[in-house]
Amino acid sequence: EAAVTQSPRSKVAVTGGKVTLSCHQTNNHDYMYWYRQDTGHGLRLIHYSYVADSTEKGDIPDGYKASRPSQENFSLILELASLSQTAVYFCASSDDLANYAEQFFGPGTRLTVL
Amino acid sequence: QQKVQQSPESLIVPEGGMASLNCTSSDRNVDYFWWYRQHSGKSPKMLMSIFSNGEKEEGRFTVHLNKASLHTSLHIRDSQPSDSALYLCAASTGFASALTFGSGTKVIVLP
Repeated sequence: EAAVTQSPRSKVAVTGGKVTLSCHQTNNHDYMYWYRQDTGHGLRLIHYSYVADSTEKGDIPDGYKASRPSQENFSLILELASLSQTAVYFCASSDDLANYAEQFFGPGTRLTVL
Repeated sequence: QQKVQQSPESLIVPEGGMASLNCTSSDRNVDYFWWYRQHSGKSPKMLMSIFSNGEKEEGRFTVHLNKASLHTSLHIRDSQPSDSALYLCAASTGFASALTFGSGTKVIVLP
């Protein structure tokens, strides 16, 4: 089964601080995604990437940047963390037949902004 | 913007009973639906997907799709306590596999 790992698994940040969430996949997948999930709710797409050194905006990109330095790694950056960014963040990957390919999710990072 | 609506928000089912979940997209370009299951504190895992009109069955799980109305439903028969989870419906238009998720249906199976 696909392996997607995330670090850190949890983080407490201060308002206005910079936060970097990391994602690593070992499946040779081209597509990678960042979602956020608010308590008890569905997932919302923040950024995604289908090739190294390129990222695309998802549905809620404001306040977030993304970086894809290699096929295996995809980072989500919060330059100025805000209270409203408290959530669980999931990274996912899928293969290059991605139009109808299953997405495999990492374990998630619980971010609390104080 | 594509929107995916799920109902009901929550559902309590007795062990051995049938759970029925609904999902509708408002985007006429949607051509693929997914159902993911997320146990508490865990990450979502794909349960089933469907893109053709009709029905698809895998074990105790059956998915229906009506492409004309962009409505899909998930039915769980002989529900087990281990089926207690958040069930997420997602839709895609085929471009870059970007998924739009609904808010989910929380299913509780009582022993």
